[in-house]
Amino acid sequence: QQQVKQSPQSLIVQKGGIPIINCAYENTAFDYFPWYQQFPGKGPALLIAIRPDVSEKKEGRFTISFNKSAKQFSLHIMDSQPGDSATYFCAASGAARQLTFGSGTQLTVLP
Amino acid sequence: DGGITQSPKYLFRKEGQNVTLSCEQNLNHDAMYWYRQDPGQGLRLIYYSQIVNDFQKGDIAEGYSVSREKKESFPLTVTSAQKNPTAFYLCASSIVKVGLAGFRDTQYFGPGTRLTVL
Repeated sequence: QQQVKQSPQSLIVQKGGIPIINCAYENTAFDYFPWYQQFPGKGPALLIAIRPDVSEKKEGRFTISFNKSAKQFSLHIMDSQPGDSATYFCAASGAARQLTFGSGTQLTVLP
Repeated sequence: DGGITQSPKYLFRKEGQNVTLSCEQNLNHDAMYWYRQDPGQGLRLIYYSQIVNDFQKGDIAEGYSVSREKKESFPLTVTSAQKNPTAFYLCASSIVKVGLAGFRDTQYFGPGTRLTVL
């Protein structure tokens, strides 16, 4: 099964809050898990990515947590800002290199 | 958006017409991809190409066609056989380096083309 399930569909937080977006996968052959950020009318841009040999990766205010046994990974945004308001997509790929995307989470950070 | 350009930004098509969306990259990437994005849905793969003169169908290839005559270019034709073509179309490219962990699969996206059928 190639599906990647993403939740929630939408999320509203106050400035400074820590939104968390979750993804789950079924294919144990997946070995690369990127997160993309997309602003309205623009193409997605790579935000951060993780491989299953580590449980956590931080880049600035963005953190990926990875649970290999549960086949789940999540994105945390520390000290969220209104400029972080965007749609976030998780994805996964394996040896075939084709990315399978989640359905997206529309994040709104209120000032 | 890196070195990937898509044109036009907006495109209007009458029913029964074929239209071609342009995608050009100057990143010297081997692989190129076309995705379709609909509201509330993730990106769905239409076609991809990992080398010049070769391409593969993705999950939703019906009603679309592509060519890869040059490394830099991967145009997508939306044919009249595509029953519901109104969508946001995204082109992407990536390096293909076997065994180079960390770089594999990082796809860089263009700004997209919004196609509307009138």
